[in-house]
Amino acid sequence: AQTVTQSQPEMSVQEAETVTLSCTYDTSESDYYLFWYKQPPSRQMILVIRQEAYKQQNATENRFSVNFQKAAKSFSLKISDSQLGDAAMYFCAYRDTYSGGGADGLTFGKGTHLIIQP
Amino acid sequence: EAGVVQSPRYKIIEKKQPVAFWCNPISGHNTLYWYLQNLGQGPELLIRYENEEAVDDSQLPKDRFSAERLKGVDSTLKIQPAELGDSAVYLCASSWVGYTFGSGTRLTVV
Repeated sequence: AQTVTQSQPEMSVQEAETVTLSCTYDTSESDYYLFWYKQPPSRQMILVIRQEAYKQQNATENRFSVNFQKAAKSFSLKISDSQLGDAAMYFCAYRDTYSGGGADGLTFGKGTHLIIQP
Repeated sequence: EAGVVQSPRYKIIEKKQPVAFWCNPISGHNTLYWYLQNLGQGPELLIRYENEEAVDDSQLPKDRFSAERLKGVDSTLKIQPAELGDSAVYLCASSWVGYTFGSGTRLTVV
């Protein structure tokens, strides 16, 4: 079974600074998807960024970028120019590629609580 | 486009009572998921539906939990009887290409 590990229960960063959240995973598959989700107090999971394992290029979405190291099974999230609205729980998640007939469920890590200091 | 709608948003019940949660997915999303999120943890998959068929329910505690998705649209998750340890957030998500999550139901069993 796949596992996702987030070793940082909580991270704190000054507004406008850069912070990196860590994630490692374990799988025997060669093709899969990795995600970072943001969960604010409203509880709704919001997709931050997604990476396909077959793509060597790291995904980027505005201030959010990932460092995907496939051999090391590492998938970290970098948030640049941190803003107060970035404060939330961040979850790393894994999914196998489609096995036919729809997407499998996601396997989540335990999350990192990101605090933004004004 | 309306998102994934869940109700109720909060529910407080006494132990041994039944409880049900409702989810309305995004129109056209054939795949629907129920997740359990304990406090301080990431969500864990309970069940996945493809249209009206439950294709992965291996993590659903079938002695007290049940789910249905009639006509392949709305879904209901039921717990009977509820236990103190069932206190958690129950998230619903639907998928076509990407996933969209609802805001969940926070259940408190007292």
